[in-house]
Amino acid sequence: KAGVTQTPRYLIKTRGQQVTLSCSPISGHRSVSWYQQTPGQGLQFLFEYFSETQRNKGNFPGRFSGRQFSNSRSEMNVSTLELGDSALYLCASSPTDHSGNTIYFGEGSWLTVV
Amino acid sequence: QKEVEQNSGPLSVPEGAIASLNCTYSDRGSQSFFWYRQYSGKSPELIMFIYSNGDKEDGRFTAQLNKASQYVSLLIRDSQPSDSATYLCAVRRATNKLIFGTGTLLAVQP
Repeated sequence: KAGVTQTPRYLIKTRGQQVTLSCSPISGHRSVSWYQQTPGQGLQFLFEYFSETQRNKGNFPGRFSGRQFSNSRSEMNVSTLELGDSALYLCASSPTDHSGNTIYFGEGSWLTVV
Repeated sequence: QKEVEQNSGPLSVPEGAIASLNCTYSDRGSQSFFWYRQYSGKSPELIMFIYSNGDKEDGRFTAQLNKASQYVSLLIRDSQPSDSATYLCAVRRATNKLIFGTGTLLAVQP
């Protein structure tokens, strides 16, 4: 069974640009969450989608947005990139939105903003 | 007070010993608890999760949960150098939003 797939794995962008990251969850999983990991702040929750609906949003500015498609694949977008957006962006997949189930992470997308 | 607290370490144990990793959380509404292992430059890898008070064992790993005291721990028996990594504790409330601790760096000395 394939795991959570994230693309691209590595990318370099310039300040002010925008970026779109993609996530394909484990087959059959309908919940996708996004996290940002930086050395200073650790792992921080961005947002969660279930059945194409955003269910939770973390404390990030509006430059960070996401969406989920009918096949459960998800994208996140960051507009007007800042140097501080350099981070590992992780997508997590879960079968349902119920507590008591497992949550698996993809390998992440390493974003460097220069 | 952080929602999830872990000792950053490093926690150094000799090969073959038991490593004990601890985590406390502040929200009594937390419903399930996760331990992830993260090697440098890699993504978090799920070790196990627990949602009932008591112990849960999986191979060399045992998770312990005490909701009254609001702590969860992970024991690693027969520690191996390959267990050297950062161990992340995460708690979940009602949905799939995870709140992470900052992680404990474990170093297993050969």
